[in-house]
Amino acid sequence: DAGVTQSPTHLIKTRGQQVTLRCSPKSGHDTVSWYQQALGQGPQFIFQYYEEEERQRGNFPDRFSGHQFPNYSSELNVNALLLGDSALYLCASSFIGGLESEKLFFGSGTQLSVL
Amino acid sequence: QKEVEQNSGPLSVPEGAIASLNCTYSDRGSQSFFWYRQYSGKSPELIMFIYSNGDKEDGRFTAQLNKASQYVSLLIRDSQPSDSATYLCAVNPFNDYKLSFGAGTTVTVRA
Repeated sequence: DAGVTQSPTHLIKTRGQQVTLRCSPKSGHDTVSWYQQALGQGPQFIFQYYEEEERQRGNFPDRFSGHQFPNYSSELNVNALLLGDSALYLCASSFIGGLESEKLFFGSGTQLSVL
Repeated sequence: QKEVEQNSGPLSVPEGAIASLNCTYSDRGSQSFFWYRQYSGKSPELIMFIYSNGDKEDGRFTAQLNKASQYVSLLIRDSQPSDSATYLCAVNPFNDYKLSFGAGTTVTVRA
């Protein structure tokens, strides 16, 4: 049973560039959430996708956008990169119809460095 | 006020001792509470969840919830060096889809 998979694992970009991160949820899961984790901090919620729609958004600027595909996989796009966007980006999946739909299962993350 | 607050640590305990981690949250309507373990350079891994007041035990881990005091704790009994990690407290606020995380408590178990 494949868990949550993310790609790439590491990425180096320069300020002003754009980046796309990808995520495939755990088998049987239909909801994907994205989190940003800065060094020494807890994960911060970016947004959640369900049924190919953005269901909820955290306190992140419009430079952060996403998409969910019919197969439940998801992309996170960040435009006009800033130095402060350097962080570990985590994808988490869950099954909305389950009794414990709040339980998140995380992928291994994408470490983004902006120079 | 932060939604979820944890003692930042680090918390150093000898092998075999009990490690006690604390977490407070601000949204009184929160219903679901989680503890994640995160090894250095890795992603968070769910180790405990609790929904009702009281204690919940799973192996060497015990989660304790007191909704009146808006307080969640995690006890690690018979601590092992492999328990050395950062422990993240997460809360599902009322009527919300996200999890709010604390900054984490780093635990070091001394052999």
